[in-house]
Amino acid sequence: RKEVEQDPGPFNVPEGATVAFNCTYSNSASQSFFWYRQDCRKEPKLLMSVYSSGNEDGRFTAQLNRASQYISLLIRDSKLSDSATYLCVVITGGGNKLTFGTGTQLKVEL
Amino acid sequence: GAGVSQSPSNKVTEKGKDVELRCDPISGHTALYWYRQSLGQGLEFLIYFQGNSAPDKSGLPSDRFSAERTGGSVSTLTIQRTQQEDSAVYLCASSLQANNSPLHFGNGTRLTVT
Repeated sequence: RKEVEQDPGPFNVPEGATVAFNCTYSNSASQSFFWYRQDCRKEPKLLMSVYSSGNEDGRFTAQLNRASQYISLLIRDSKLSDSATYLCVVITGGGNKLTFGTGTQLKVEL
Repeated sequence: GAGVSQSPSNKVTEKGKDVELRCDPISGHTALYWYRQSLGQGLEFLIYFQGNSAPDKSGLPSDRFSAERTGGSVSTLTIQRTQQEDSAVYLCASSLQANNSPLHFGNGTRLTVT
């Protein structure tokens, strides 16, 4: 089993739809979690941190489920500009124990 | 404030030549990472520096790859005797501290080996 797994997609959704991605991790000692967004031929950019209590930033909601060992990202009222690849990042222990998922591709269509 | 700066942004080199890629992290960030990404692929970890500790070189694909971080700030990634399979985008990232801090990426260096 991979340390961090994501459904590669693509998820094709109409504008205005709600879409959710999950990211599972294998190490129960993992302690920090983040979602990144990567546009085509660009560097990854931090989208949001994932806190134990969950967090929301506008149309984006991130949640952590430690019992089932996954994090989720919910995007409401999706926009064309949300089209990108969404990467999850899991940190276990020291900074060198940082693992990226391979990303989930989202395509928002008219 | 200034973000992570990488240079050059693009580099085309002939097979067999050496190349040097530079990364200037965000001021005050103690952790620095190098990754590479081939087209359509995920991020491949190369090397990690944290403060004055010995770097984690476990991701370097061969002994042709090496990296230094001088004075705890600027880092250079050197690829000797480049091969066509080295063609990729090389991304540098820094974070405030090793644990619990998100990474901030530079724009990357797109390396093409002909």
